[in-house]
Amino acid sequence: AQKITQTQPGMFVQEKEAVTLDCTYDTSDQSYGLFWYKQPSSGEMIFLIYQGSYDEQNATEGRYSLNFQKARKSANLVISASQLGDSAMYFCAMSQENFGNEKLTFGTGTRLTIIP
Amino acid sequence: DTAVSQTPKYLVTQMGNDKSIKCEQNLGHDTMYWYKQDSKKFLKIMFSYNNKELIINETVPNRFSPKSPDKAHLNLHINSLELGDSAVYFCASSQWRYEQYFGPGTRLTVT
Repeated sequence: AQKITQTQPGMFVQEKEAVTLDCTYDTSDQSYGLFWYKQPSSGEMIFLIYQGSYDEQNATEGRYSLNFQKARKSANLVISASQLGDSAMYFCAMSQENFGNEKLTFGTGTRLTIIP
Repeated sequence: DTAVSQTPKYLVTQMGNDKSIKCEQNLGHDTMYWYKQDSKKFLKIMFSYNNKELIINETVPNRFSPKSPDKAHLNLHINSLELGDSAVYFCASSQWRYEQYFGPGTRLTVT
């Protein structure tokens, strides 16, 4: 079974600072995917970034990067130059990469608040 | 154009009633999902369909019945609603190995 752990229930960060959201995972699968989603107060789930377990390079998407450390089973999200609009819940998730069974297993989330 | 749409956005109903939530995706994806987000914001998979075939059923009470008339639609019917069914229900779709795109969610309140 897969498990995602997010140990930071809430974080407060000054605007323009970088922020790291922690995520560790547990799985016995060889092939898996790691994802980060953002959920603002409006409620929608917004995909941010994806890392495949066999990808050697850390994924980056604009101000988002995923610090993937396979041996430590961690997949931290780094947001550079934080903005007020980054205030939201952030969920780490993983999926098995078996065809037809790519359900996402989510962590409990981190509520990020950006302070002006 | 909305990629994954759900109707209704809000649903308030009484215990014991039967209700349905509809989901449609225009992304051409083969796989669709239903997730439930509880009051503590925890998201959990309920069902997934691949090309109209049920693939995942995560020990959801049989009062919940998904139906996929075609690969662009996945509806969720709930019989005999209970207070504990109050939650936000998200539909999502994906192609294999890629990110899942979520609908806007349906907030179900059972009174």
